[in-house]
Amino acid sequence: GNSVTQMEGPVTLSEEAFLTINCTYTATGYPSLFWYVQYPGEGLQLLLKATKADDKGSNKGFEATYRKETTSFHLEKGSVQVSDSAVYFCALITGTASKLTFGTGTRLQVTL
Amino acid sequence: GAGVSQSPSNKVTEKGKDVELRCDPISGHTALYWYRQSLGQGLEFLIYFQGNSAPDKSGLPSDRFSAERTGGSVSTLTIQRTQQEDSAVYLCASSLARIRLADNTGELFFGEGSRLTVL
Repeated sequence: GNSVTQMEGPVTLSEEAFLTINCTYTATGYPSLFWYVQYPGEGLQLLLKATKADDKGSNKGFEATYRKETTSFHLEKGSVQVSDSAVYFCALITGTASKLTFGTGTRLQVTL
Repeated sequence: GAGVSQSPSNKVTEKGKDVELRCDPISGHTALYWYRQSLGQGLEFLIYFQGNSAPDKSGLPSDRFSAERTGGSVSTLTIQRTQQEDSAVYLCASSLARIRLADNTGELFFGEGSRLTVL
């Protein structure tokens, strides 16, 4: 079956630090990969996606590269801001499935 | 508003009672999903609606859980004879059409969730 594994949080960083949140997956077939973000008091929203190997998804300064050889989709940002404090979820979809499989989420806290 | 609306936002109930959770999707969205988020767990898929029918209800954990959707819009998730292990945040999401790999879609629009606490 499909599964997504994320690094456990919380991740606490100072503003302007470099961020990496690890995500690896197991999938039957060739998935599309996603990062969703949940800001405090809000619903999850799509942050970025990648649909084939070596694709790089990017949005709001965040990037993630689809690495088929390591079955990974790590989220990175060069300089985090306090406003990036949120919970980040890695997810995938495969084949004819009509649903996303999510990881457990990683909480990021950015301090001044 | 124009987003996915869920109610109640918080529900505390006693073990054995029935609860209903409501979801109002974005107008015009044909696909509707329910997920559950328990402490330390990922988002667990429960059920998917396309229109008023549920092609995939494989994630419902037991026959105490049921869901319906009427008018291709509002959905209700019902939990009968609640147990403490049902305590979680129940998330509803909608999308314009069913998400699938072929379309390279995958954007779901989520509500803020209904937090259920069973005492």
